[in-house]
Amino acid sequence: DAMVIQNPRYQVTQFGKPVTLSCSQTLNHNVMYWYQQKSSQAPKLLFHYYDKDFNNEADTPDNFQSRRPNTSFCFLDIRSPGLGDAAMYLCATSTPARPDTQYFGPGTRLTVL
Amino acid sequence: GDSVTQMEGPVTLSEEAFLTINCTYTATGYPSLFWYVQYPGEGLQLLLKATKADDKGSNKGFEATYRKETTSFHLEKGSVQVSDSAVYFCALTPGGYQKVTFGTGTKLQVIP
Repeated sequence: DAMVIQNPRYQVTQFGKPVTLSCSQTLNHNVMYWYQQKSSQAPKLLFHYYDKDFNNEADTPDNFQSRRPNTSFCFLDIRSPGLGDAAMYLCATSTPARPDTQYFGPGTRLTVL
Repeated sequence: GDSVTQMEGPVTLSEEAFLTINCTYTATGYPSLFWYVQYPGEGLQLLLKATKADDKGSNKGFEATYRKETTSFHLEKGSVQVSDSAVYFCALTPGGYQKVTFGTGTKLQVIP
């Protein structure tokens, strides 16, 4: 089945230790998104790619970076995680044929010690 | 900017009860409206959507009608099941592949 896959599902890191979260998709969608969802809050968009074009939200901290080496993969890098970065990180995709529908992965829950 | 307000939870219902989760929005123009569902430990799934005024979205027994005059998109289901227990997010997008604006989510718990 075509889907959005996120690895790992659970990630534990130490304060200040860089961490990378992974997202892959078999949908061949042009657009990929990264959201941050803190406990009992709505998902918050960090950035998105349209193909290789990177679009950063104005309030996304510089501590968060992203890479998209090809259509299928997208990575979220947190350079120096703080306690406030503990959250669920959701990856999503969409296609211009259905631009208003996003397909979400299961998320990666990040714990910062 | 755009915003979505939905009723706070948790909402606890007995099986076969009627469900309403209220959602109102603020947006310029004519947004598309959505309900997403998040089951425990999983990502968000699109439940239903409506793209213009008076449209009714429906799926799996859930319905919501796009009411422009009241800027609302309330979610309803006539008879809930235990398997409907999840967090429900109301959301909007102004169109294209622009970002989705989510409400804060409403947790539904259905007890046998």
